[in-house]
Amino acid sequence: DAMVIQNPRYQVTQFGKPVTLSCSQTLNHNVMYWYQQKSSQAPKLLFHYYDKDFNNEADTPDNFQSRRPNTSFCFLDIRSPGLGDAAMYLCATSRGLAGGGQETQYFGPGTRLLVL
Amino acid sequence: DAKTTQPTSMDCAEGRAANLPCNHSTISGNEYVYWYRQIHSQGPQYIIHGLKNNETNEMASLIITEDRKSSTLILPHATLRDTAVYYCIVRVQDNAGNMLTFGGGTRLMVKP
Repeated sequence: DAMVIQNPRYQVTQFGKPVTLSCSQTLNHNVMYWYQQKSSQAPKLLFHYYDKDFNNEADTPDNFQSRRPNTSFCFLDIRSPGLGDAAMYLCATSRGLAGGGQETQYFGPGTRLLVL
Repeated sequence: DAKTTQPTSMDCAEGRAANLPCNHSTISGNEYVYWYRQIHSQGPQYIIHGLKNNETNEMASLIITEDRKSSTLILPHATLRDTAVYYCIVRVQDNAGNMLTFGGGTRLMVKP
């Protein structure tokens, strides 16, 4: 089945040690998103790619970067994780229909990041 | 994007209809109403969306008031697996994608 895949489901890193989270999709969607969800809070958009065009949310810290080497893969890089970056990180995709239209987002299962 | 207001939590008996309200009094004419849910430890899942007409699919029904200032998501026969946080989101569709701004959501507990 076509889907959004995030591995691993759990990632442990040390304070200040760079970490990369990965997302892949078999839906061939143009748009890929990264959300951060802290405990008991709603998901918050960090940034998204429309094809190769990167769009950063205004309040996303510089510590968070992203790469999209091809249509299928997107990575979230946290350069120097702090304790406050411990969260669930959700990847999502959507078609990105030209001319607008009604789109839905398809979410992966998330990667829970623990910072020690 | 218009903001939404939802009750923090609701209970529903298994097998009964679950009616989840959402207020979006500042919605504009080109904004859609979307509903997603998030089961514990999973990613959000799309349920349904609409503009002004009522909508129904295999998961739920969406009732939008005539003035579009509020809506209700209806799960006709709630099961224990419907226990989740339900998010009501209003959003303009644009060419660059469909950025979702999640509010607090309603935590629905379906009880036996």
